[in-house]
Amino acid sequence: ETGVTQTPRHLVMGMTNKKSLKCEQHLGHNAMYWYKQSAKKPLELMFVYNFKEQTENNSVPSRFSPECPNSSHLFLHLHTLQPEDSALYLCASSQVSRSGYGYTFGSGTRLTVV
Amino acid sequence: DAKTTQPPSMDCAEGRAANLPCNHSTISGNEYVYWYRQIHSQGPQYIIHGLKNNETNEMASLIITEDRKSSTLILPHATLRDTAVYYCIVTAQGGSEKLVFGKGTKLTVNP
Repeated sequence: ETGVTQTPRHLVMGMTNKKSLKCEQHLGHNAMYWYKQSAKKPLELMFVYNFKEQTENNSVPSRFSPECPNSSHLFLHLHTLQPEDSALYLCASSQVSRSGYGYTFGSGTRLTVV
Repeated sequence: DAKTTQPPSMDCAEGRAANLPCNHSTISGNEYVYWYRQIHSQGPQYIIHGLKNNETNEMASLIITEDRKSSTLILPHATLRDTAVYYCIVTAQGGSEKLVFGKGTKLTVNP
C-alpha cells in the first residue's frame, strides 16, 4: 500500500457504458494527477489538480471527465469510450511547492473497453 | 522541462551493481534529477532525486556530474526484484511540477 489507493483494480466496460475510476490519497498532499499508460508506450499525463483546481488538461478527449471534490479524492468519469482507450490508468499525488518530495503513485486501474 | 536520454535496455547479473546512465544536457539550474522505476503493470515508484550533490538512500545512489549534464543511478547489489523500467526525469521545483515520463531503461537482472 503506497498511500494512494485506486479502485477498481480491473474494469471491463462496453463502449456505451458509463463508469468512474476512484483515487484516494492518505498522505496530506495537495496535488493529484491522472496518467494513462497504453501498451508499450510511456506514461501520458492527462490531468493535473492543484488545491482541487484543474491546472492542466493535456488535450484529453471529453469522454474522459475528471472530478476533484477535495484534495484527498480524485475521480475519472468515463463514457462512450473506444477500444483504444484500453490502458492502465494511474493516479498520483504530490505536495506542491515542497522541495524534495516526489510523486506517490497508486497501483492503477486496468481498463478494458470492449 | 529538460529532456533526458536513456539506453532502452540493460542487463545485470544478480548481486552485481547496476549502473544506469542518463543524459540531460539541457538541464536548467533549478531543475532536479529524479529517478523512478516501474515494475511490470504497477505504478511507478520513487527511488531518489538530486540537484547538484551525489545522493544515497536505502534503495540506490545517484551520481550527478559536476556540469550536471548527466547522471548515473547505482543499485549496489541488484536482485531479481529490481527488474523494472527505470525512468530518469528532470523537473523544476523539486517535484512539484508535473512529471513527464520518457521510455526509460528496461533493466533485467539475471540469476
